[in-house]
Amino acid sequence: DIQMTQSPSSLSASVGDRVTITCQASLDISNYLNWYQHKPGKAPKLLIYDASNLEAGVPSRFSGSRSATDFSFTISSLQPEDIATYYCQQYDTLPWTFGQGTKVEIK
Amino acid sequence: QVQLVESGGGVVQPGRSLRLSCTASGFSFSTYGMHWVRQAPGKGLEWVAAIWYNGKYKNYSDSVKGRFTVSRDNSKDTVYLQMNSLRAGDTALYYCARDRIPAAGTGGVFDPWGQGTLVTVSS
Repeated sequence: DIQMTQSPSSLSASVGDRVTITCQASLDISNYLNWYQHKPGKAPKLLIYDASNLEAGVPSRFSGSRSATDFSFTISSLQPEDIATYYCQQYDTLPWTFGQGTKVEIK
Repeated sequence: QVQLVESGGGVVQPGRSLRLSCTASGFSFSTYGMHWVRQAPGKGLEWVAAIWYNGKYKNYSDSVKGRFTVSRDNSKDTVYLQMNSLRAGDTALYYCARDRIPAAGTGGVFDPWGQGTLVTVSS
């Protein structure tokens, strides 16, 4: 299985801060990488697909990028409503696998 | 609007069976692949199973292969997860999710998701 190593596992930042989460794939997955936001008690929500494509209706402060097998997810200006756990997920090779998640909190 | 509603969760003893359902609305169900993803208490997300839009192909994670079966009834806009020989490790919130685009084959981009149904395996 392709392992997705996501870091950090948690972070605390102030409103307005730039926040970056990284995900490293154990093999080349091309751009087959998605980012999801998961708030407690809610359904997970797709934010970014194919490494850098913003899903319709998602605020532009969210972005994604790729460098070889390393992927980054950035919130350019953290907002209170962004408090959630964020997951990367690869869909290059079955079984689809997720990173361990990053819990984002407000400082 | 697009909606997925899971049902069928509950408390079940180890070794017993349970069938989950996920009923869709707001889109042409028969043209989209569907997935089951679970989250054990305090853990991250784990993909469990997928079924093509036409039901022709199915895929499973190794942790459930041989015990779980995914199926769908396109006339009822519903996808199912039959779970047999349940173990304590299957305790989780089970989500169904749709492929982002229709007829995506094996798919893998989950959008949207349902709210989940809780399965607890305990004696």
